[in-house]
Formats: sequence, structure tokens, C-alpha cells
Amino acid sequence: RKEVEQDPGPFNVPEGATVAFNCTYSNSASQSFFWYRQDCRKEPKLLMSVYSSGNEDGRFTAQLNRASQYISLLIRDSKLSDSATYLCAVSTTSGTYKYIFGTGTRLKV
Amino acid sequence: DAGVIQSPRHEVTEMGQEVTLRCKPISGHNSLFWYRQTMMRGLELLIYFNNNVPIDDSGMPEDRFSAKMPNASFSTLKIQPSEPRDSAVYFCASSLWAEETQYFGPGTRLLVL
Repeated sequence: RKEVEQDPGPFNVPEGATVAFNCTYSNSASQSFFWYRQDCRKEPKLLMSVYSSGNEDGRFTAQLNRASQYISLLIRDSKLSDSATYLCAVSTTSGTYKYIFGTGTRLKV
Repeated sequence: DAGVIQSPRHEVTEMGQEVTLRCKPISGHNSLFWYRQTMMRGLELLIYFNNNVPIDDSGMPEDRFSAKMPNASFSTLKIQPSEPRDSAVYFCASSLWAEETQYFGPGTRLLVL
């Protein structure tokens, strides 16, 4: 089992739709969680960090569920410009530091 | 402010040749990461440095790969000899500290023929 797993998609949604992605992680000692966005042939860029209490940035909402060991990203009112690959990242500091990315979920609006 | 700078942006070489990828992190950042991205394996961490010291190189695929960070503003990733299976996009990223947000460079697209 991979340490961080994502559904690769693609998720094909119409403009204006609401779409949600999940990312599961296997290490219960993981401490920090992030969502990155990667456009085609570009580098990943931080979209938002994921806090225990959940956080929202405009149309984007991130949630953390420690009990079930997953994070989620919700995009409301999808726009054409949201088309990209969304990568989750999980960091763990237990002995040595580890920062692991999921393989990404592709979204096409 | 300048972001992470990588060179070259594209590299095409023949099997057996030495390849050197370069990275300049964001000024003031203490951690530097080298990643490799392929369709099959996604984004893989190869090695990371804290304060110019290699901390974890467990992701380096084999002895053909080596990385150095001689000072806070420069790092190299070298592949010698290169093989076709090394073809990928290699990203360098830096962060203030290892646990903080990482900022990626534009990547080097490597093709080994």
C-alpha cells in the first residue's frame, strides 16, 4: 500500500459544478498536510495547507479527518481555469523527516 | 523576488553520458529538495538538504545518482552514467524549513536516448 493515495481521475465536471477529492495517508504520525495544484507541463504550486479545524479559501475548502486518515479538497462553482492536477502532500517527522506527495487527481472542467 | 531557479530547462542526451542538473533555491530558505516526476510513479523525493547537509537520500535510485549542495545558494544533481529509464522531469524545491511549504522550480525535462 502506498503511503499517500489519490484517485487519479480524471474527474470531468461541467462549469459551476462542485467536485471533491480525497487523499488517504497510511502513517498515523503524519503532522502536516497540503494541497498543491499542478498545471500541464508546469511545476506544483501550493494551493492551501490543511488545518485540523478545516479551512476555506474562496471556492476551495480543505478538511482533515485524522480518525480515518484522509484529507479532502472541495471546489465549489468550478471554473474552466480550475482544470489541473491536484496533488496532496503529507509530512511526517518521526526520526527522519518525510514529505510525500500523492500521484495527483486530474480535474477537467 | 526570484523563485527557485533550475537549469537547464530541457536536456536531451545519449545513454551513458553524464547529466548535471542545477538549482538555485530561494534566498533565505534552509531546506532544498530534489524530486523526480514520471507518469508512472508520480512525484518522488530523491534527496533533501537542511542547511546544505544531506539529511535523507533514501529516495536516490542508485549509485548513478549523486547530489551536492556546496553552499546555501546552489545545488546539483548528477546522473552518471545516464540511462533511458532516467527520462523524467526533475524538480528542485526549497522551503524555509523542512516542514514548511515547498516552492518548486520550473523543472528540468530530461530525455535520455
